[in-house]
Amino acid sequence: NAGVTQTPKFRVLKTGQSMTLLCAQDMNHEYMYWYRQDPGMGLRLIHYSVGEGTTAKGEVPDGYNVSRLKKQNFLLGLESAAPSQTSVYFCASSYLVVGASGYTFGSGTRLTVV
Amino acid sequence: EDQVTQSPEALRLQEGESSSLNCSYTVSGLRGLFWYRQDPGKGPEFLFTLYSAGEEKEKERLKATLTKKESFLHITAPKPEDSATYLCPKEVSGSSNTGKLIFGQGTTLQVKP
Repeated sequence: NAGVTQTPKFRVLKTGQSMTLLCAQDMNHEYMYWYRQDPGMGLRLIHYSVGEGTTAKGEVPDGYNVSRLKKQNFLLGLESAAPSQTSVYFCASSYLVVGASGYTFGSGTRLTVV
Repeated sequence: EDQVTQSPEALRLQEGESSSLNCSYTVSGLRGLFWYRQDPGKGPEFLFTLYSAGEEKEKERLKATLTKKESFLHITAPKPEDSATYLCPKEVSGSSNTGKLIFGQGTTLQVKP
């Protein structure tokens, strides 16, 4: 049972380039989330999805887009990367009742924009 | 507005030296207060969920408690392998069962042998 898998693990982008981060879960979870983690800021919610075909904005959505075409996958896109998007990105998933077992997080993608 | 504040930011303990980590939160309809452990270079790992004041959960050397305004993570006789960053997010109030969490900055614990 792989849990939540994020690809890639590391990436360096030049300002203005685009990329897609992939999150895949094999636990049949309904909810999926993208967070970013920056030093001194804690984890902040970018976008989330409560089911296949649905997405919604979180706390810091600007500069990012998401898609959830299949229940098991949640994609995070950066259309035109900026140095301010240098961060560690975490994907997470959960059952309908989050409290039962909390989120399951992926191992993260470390992105550097130069 | 939902807010979570953790203290201290960093804590150094000797092996066997018990202590507590503090997590204070805005009291606007608590839907769930969570504790996670995060090792360097890894994603957070779920530890506990607490729902109501007076509730307690235990796992090995860790015990989480909840009051109306705070949660504590008590670490009894810690070992070096307990070294990690501990996070205590709460479920965002009024989030219509979307499961959104708000995080504080975390407490980084170092246990020296």
